Amino acid sequence: QSVLTQPPSVSGAPGQRVTISCTGSSSNIGAGYDVHWYQQLPGTAPKLLIYGNNNRPSGVPDRFSGSKSGTSASLAITGLQAEDEADYYCQSYDSSLSGWVFGGGTKLTVL
Amino acid sequence: QVQLVESGGGVVQPGRSLRLSCAASGFTFSTYSMHWVRQAPGKGLEWVAVISYDGSNKYYADSVKGRFTISRDNSKNTLYLQMNSLRAEDTAVYYCARVAGIVVVTDAFDIWGQGTMVTVSS
Repeated sequence: QSVLTQPPSVSGAPGQRVTISCTGSSSNIGAGYDVHWYQQLPGTAPKLLIYGNNNRPSGVPDRFSGSKSGTSASLAITGLQAEDEADYYCQSYDSSLSGWVFGGGTKLTVL
Repeated sequence: QVQLVESGGGVVQPGRSLRLSCAASGFTFSTYSMHWVRQAPGKGLEWVAVISYDGSNKYYADSVKGRFTISRDNSKNTLYLQMNSLRAEDTAVYYCARVAGIVVVTDAFDIWGQGTMVTVSS
């Protein structure tokens, strides 16, 4: 059981918009720690997608956006493309565990 | 270009030891804190350990505390993970990852290696 909760899977047709939620608690997201998102394409290492809740590293398309409110965060992907099919993970810090935590991951399927 | 390359993985019997390495290039390694993260087959990501830029501070996940040791040699631009008393549940791909900035607690993992597979089996 992951400290950060994500839906196991989401899906959408090309061109559509999907969101992935990440629910935490008062010891991680709710404590004000930043949330980061990673994309893991099949058979590859994770790649930083969103940092500091809503910032995109250079090279990440603006179709990807992040938000945070209270004890939760969300990743939104607009204009879905086939190449977006991947696993997505949220990540933060947990003060109760004194460690870095990840969500369980969400598999995005582009229909 | 900025790059992290892990090595040292393999098949090892339960109770034995293994040392992983992560060679850094393309950036000033000695100014960045570094993490180890692992991923069991078909599972999600699990943070393992972190070390500050100068090696003075180290923190571990409860699942590996007392068995794993993170270290670094800034003169060789290399990060290490010494894994002792290995268990079947340590079987995973192990990634090294760079901390993006100077605030280790809140900064993202901005650069990842390709990973090295560790299989613990008799």
